[in-house]
Amino acid sequence: GESVGLHLPTLSVQEGDNSIINCAYSNSASDYFIWYKQESGKGPQFIIDIRSNMDKRQGQRVTVLLNKTVKHLSLQIAATQPGDSAVYFCAEGFNDMRFGAGTRLTVKP
Amino acid sequence: DSGVTQTPKHLITATGQRVTLRCSPRSGDLSVYWYQQSLDQGLQFLIQYYNGEERAKGNILERFSAQQFPDLHSELNLSSLELGDSALYFCASSVRQGGQETQYFGPGTRLLVL
Repeated sequence: GESVGLHLPTLSVQEGDNSIINCAYSNSASDYFIWYKQESGKGPQFIIDIRSNMDKRQGQRVTVLLNKTVKHLSLQIAATQPGDSAVYFCAEGFNDMRFGAGTRLTVKP
Repeated sequence: DSGVTQTPKHLITATGQRVTLRCSPRSGDLSVYWYQQSLDQGLQFLIQYYNGEERAKGNILERFSAQQFPDLHSELNLSSLELGDSALYFCASSVRQGGQETQYFGPGTRLLVL
């Protein structure tokens, strides 16, 4: 069936470095994608979204890239900070949103 | 703080029991979504309500049901509980703006079935 998946379950980066978290999806008809951040003991928090008619969208210190050809989505975090340590989920869809398994980002001081 | 509230924060119960989880959406949001997050299944969409009516259904068991009330708060009822129902249950609310719909999640209810 259709799925949303992540390439790596964990990612460790040095404070100040850039982080890249990847996600693959299988439904070529997907037209809306979201990245969520989930800190320990909290609910997922919206970071940034992108529609399929775009290939890049920038927020504050975050950029989402969408490659529809290979059905790949990435989240780039610039100048990663300790507060960025969390699990990051990609999700696709509107009402019936499907989430990836998550990547745990650890920022080393 | 997302503006979405959920009660209770923690719930411990026994197999075979029934529980009710409550969610209050952000002010003005008409849609409420319920999700289950367990270690082995990740975040799974259960059901969505929009302005009191069921809008979409995901991987929700027949033992589970939900409703949204006129004041837009929602309840998720879990019955005949099994050990495997132990999980975090999240509620999210959203409003559609400019063709996009962003979901804002509550803090979750942690359910432990013993």
